[in-house]
Amino acid sequence: DSGVTQTPKHLITATGQRVTLRCSPRSGDLSVYWYQQSLDQGLQFLIQYYNGEERAKGNILERFSAQQFPDLHSELNLSSLELGDSALYFCASSVTTSLRREGYNEQFFGPGTRLTVL
Amino acid sequence: AQSVTQLDSHVSVSEGTPVLLRCNYSSSYSPSLFWYVQHPNKGLQLLLKYTSAATLVKGINGFEAEFKKSETSFHLTKPSAHMSDAAEYFCVVSVNNDMRFGAGTRLTVKP
Repeated sequence: DSGVTQTPKHLITATGQRVTLRCSPRSGDLSVYWYQQSLDQGLQFLIQYYNGEERAKGNILERFSAQQFPDLHSELNLSSLELGDSALYFCASSVTTSLRREGYNEQFFGPGTRLTVL
Repeated sequence: AQSVTQLDSHVSVSEGTPVLLRCNYSSSYSPSLFWYVQHPNKGLQLLLKYTSAATLVKGINGFEAEFKKSETSFHLTKPSAHMSDAAEYFCVVSVNNDMRFGAGTRLTVKP
């Protein structure tokens, strides 16, 4: 158990809908990362938040957004869903005590949310 | 931007024999390199990481990897495979917080 929790475990919805995925980082971790894992695209970094602020952006679509709240939990919002958005969405957290050494910090991954868009 | 290539999408070994999972990277800057393992229906777990210290890195469960700058490689090895090693393995290169994952190598361990 990594200490990172994600809800829900599974989500089934229809095209055009909007969903919210939730992540609680490990106690003490200030950074939260979101990833998408699909069969055709593999594992892709979406976005990172550090202590409530957006820190880095990856291959995140404009239809997707995220935020990190004062209690450090994070939500990933996916809107106008398409069939191709079906994937496993992972959240990870890390301590990230220093921006300069950020790349060295281990990320702890949650169990993921499996999103199915019908 | 940096990138990583895992040279084998699938590796099959017999229990008790050595494991070699190959990873090449490309980066304009000094990278950090990681190996993660993903068991079915689970999240990713860090096996080991290279952060510009010793070039031979030891990780959990008997795995180790050697950073070879001249060959831009970071291959993962284990002397003797166990059935519980069957999983998907990801090589990751990170520069300035930008992590890029390889496509993954599925390791099958035969009894």
